[in-house]
Amino acid sequence: QSALTQPASVSGSPGQSITISCSGTRSDVGAYNFVTWYQQHPGKAPKLIIYDVNKRPSGFSYRFSGSKSGNTASLTISGLQAEDEADYYCGSYTRSNSWVFGGGTQLTVL
Amino acid sequence: QVQLQESGPGLVKPSETLSLTCTVSGGSVSGYFWTWVRQPPGKGLEWIGYIYFTGITTYNPSLSHRVTISVDTSRNQVSLRLASVTAADTALYYCARYQESPRGFDPSGPGTLVTVSS
Repeated sequence: QSALTQPASVSGSPGQSITISCSGTRSDVGAYNFVTWYQQHPGKAPKLIIYDVNKRPSGFSYRFSGSKSGNTASLTISGLQAEDEADYYCGSYTRSNSWVFGGGTQLTVL
Repeated sequence: QVQLQESGPGLVKPSETLSLTCTVSGGSVSGYFWTWVRQPPGKGLEWIGYIYFTGITTYNPSLSHRVTISVDTSRNQVSLRLASVTAADTALYYCARYQESPRGFDPSGPGTLVTVSS
């Protein structure tokens, strides 16, 4: 199974919105609504921020939202804040009953 | 609050077997799936596999021929064994709880770095 495709980096200014894409295939992203997103700050473990395409774990910021169209999922962060600067990874369940992640996107808040 | 802590040798020789343990505190391994994920230095995440507390496992097809994940409910621990390692297996290894609501891998431990080198 190949890794999902994410842009290597994105950037935005405080207060702006950014979107990170996650491209897969009919065998993973397009197969189920089981897309997850993780936030990873430097030196820290990944943290689940979106699950089942567009659901937020309890207590997580409403500024983070997810969506999916066909074989591509997206994470949108609105009202960018300095603390959002981190690496973001998408993940998807696959038809092989396994999980696959994207290569990660580094978000820089200018 | 559930906490996870990975432990094991930080250095493994090529062709040998990598062995790690994840100790769960503040909760029980029973009732959940437990997973291992790794991250080579400066690279992305790779799912290794997971195990249900009953012992049922599912592995990444690309690693399945070398991976064994086991669970010890009496010790509240999950273990990972990866055979015939090469330098490509050098990575930060995380254990995490997998659940279906919310569906994903969380929480995870802080990770442990394993370097494969002679």
